[in-house]
Amino acid sequence: NAGVTQTPKFQVLKTGQSMTLQCAQDMNHNSMYWYRQDPGMGLRLIYYSASEGTTDKGEVPNGYNVSRLNKREFSLRLESAAPSQTSVYFCASRGNPRGWGGNEQFFGPGTRLTVL
Amino acid sequence: AQSVTQPDIHITVSEGASLELRCNYSYGATPYLFWYVQSPGQGLQLLLKYFSGDTLVQGIKGFEAEFKRSQSSFNLRKPSVHWSDAAEYFCAVGPMDSSYKLIFGSGTRLLVRP
Repeated sequence: NAGVTQTPKFQVLKTGQSMTLQCAQDMNHNSMYWYRQDPGMGLRLIYYSASEGTTDKGEVPNGYNVSRLNKREFSLRLESAAPSQTSVYFCASRGNPRGWGGNEQFFGPGTRLTVL
Repeated sequence: AQSVTQPDIHITVSEGASLELRCNYSYGATPYLFWYVQSPGQGLQLLLKYFSGDTLVQGIKGFEAEFKRSQSSFNLRKPSVHWSDAAEYFCAVGPMDSSYKLIFGSGTRLLVRP
């Protein structure tokens, strides 16, 4: 099992450009999450999807959109990138509460995004 | 408001010394509690978790944590630190509902002196 995978690993954008960060999990998990990590601030939740077909805002959703494409994939889109979105982005997934891995989130390796 | 506080931004210990990383939380009810570790350039790995029952929980890599309800704390400990433990450590809390949105502390960076 690959677990949670993210692409790309690194990306540099100019202000105003758009891009999509991809995330996929092969653990048959229901829930998926997008976080951003900034120095001294820990991880902050951007959006999450409790199950296929549903998405909801987290703590810092402004400037982002998400798509839960199917059970495996959860993408994060920046429509018009801003320097304030320079960050490391992590995707995570979580299984059924009663199933294996249902009580923890599993994280991908992250995408380091720089917006100039 | 729900929050997690890790009061120590950096901690330096000598290899072989004991370690305690502090975590305090503010939450409406007893939450799920977690400690994650992040090595440089890597994602987060779960060290241990608390849901209910015994308030002293054991994790991977020789770590343990104790939940103290009266102090709203969940401190991480290790009796003897190894150089490979140098990393950033995050405490997190989450609700006991289906949303399961975790709230993270700001992290504590552990440096290990040879």
